[in-house]
Amino acid sequence: KQEVTQIPAALSVPEGENLVLNCSFTDSAIYNLQWFRQDPGKGLTSLLLIQSSQREQTSGRLNASLDKSSGRSTLYIAASQPGDSATYLCAAYSGGGADGLTFGKGTHLIIQP
Amino acid sequence: GAVVSQHPSRVICKSGTSVKIECRSLDFQATTMFWYRQFPKQSLMLMATSNEGSKATYEQGVEKDKFLINHASLTLSTLTVTSAHPEDSSFYICSASLGIWQYFGPGTRLTVT
Repeated sequence: KQEVTQIPAALSVPEGENLVLNCSFTDSAIYNLQWFRQDPGKGLTSLLLIQSSQREQTSGRLNASLDKSSGRSTLYIAASQPGDSATYLCAAYSGGGADGLTFGKGTHLIIQP
Repeated sequence: GAVVSQHPSRVICKSGTSVKIECRSLDFQATTMFWYRQFPKQSLMLMATSNEGSKATYEQGVEKDKFLINHASLTLSTLTVTSAHPEDSSFYICSASLGIWQYFGPGTRLTVT
């Protein structure tokens, strides 16, 4: 059974810093890995999806990498802003269209103004 | 595009009553929809996979007679929490699959008093 772990559980940094969030998964046979953002009491916003054949994806100040062999993914946030404060979830997709995602517990990020 | 709605966004009910939550894909058809549950400070956990026109597939530990899922059309899935108890209080989120992507609804906050 796939298990997803995220480290750290919480992170607080001053505005403007670059930071890295980590995600590891136990079963490397994934189709893709996705990073989401969740604001308090809200649903999920998809940030980046990396296919199993890809190494990384970039969107604006966000860059996500994937190393299937080691079962790890990282989300890099450049020049952090207070608006980036949220919980970041990574999720592994292991099956076909009929399978759900396996989520980590998330990293609660606070960017201090 | 690819918008998923949920209704209601918040619901408070008394213990022993039943609550129905709707999940709709607004601009696409989804053969498969998923229901997740999220307890405070925990990750999203997949409850069940809902396939249009067939019975839902429940994850281990999720009571199918308590959490009734109906997927009557390609744009609508409903989750009914029957005989709700305070321990069912949680954040319920649905998603609809379109190819390799899952699009998430905004979630429903259920509080059972």
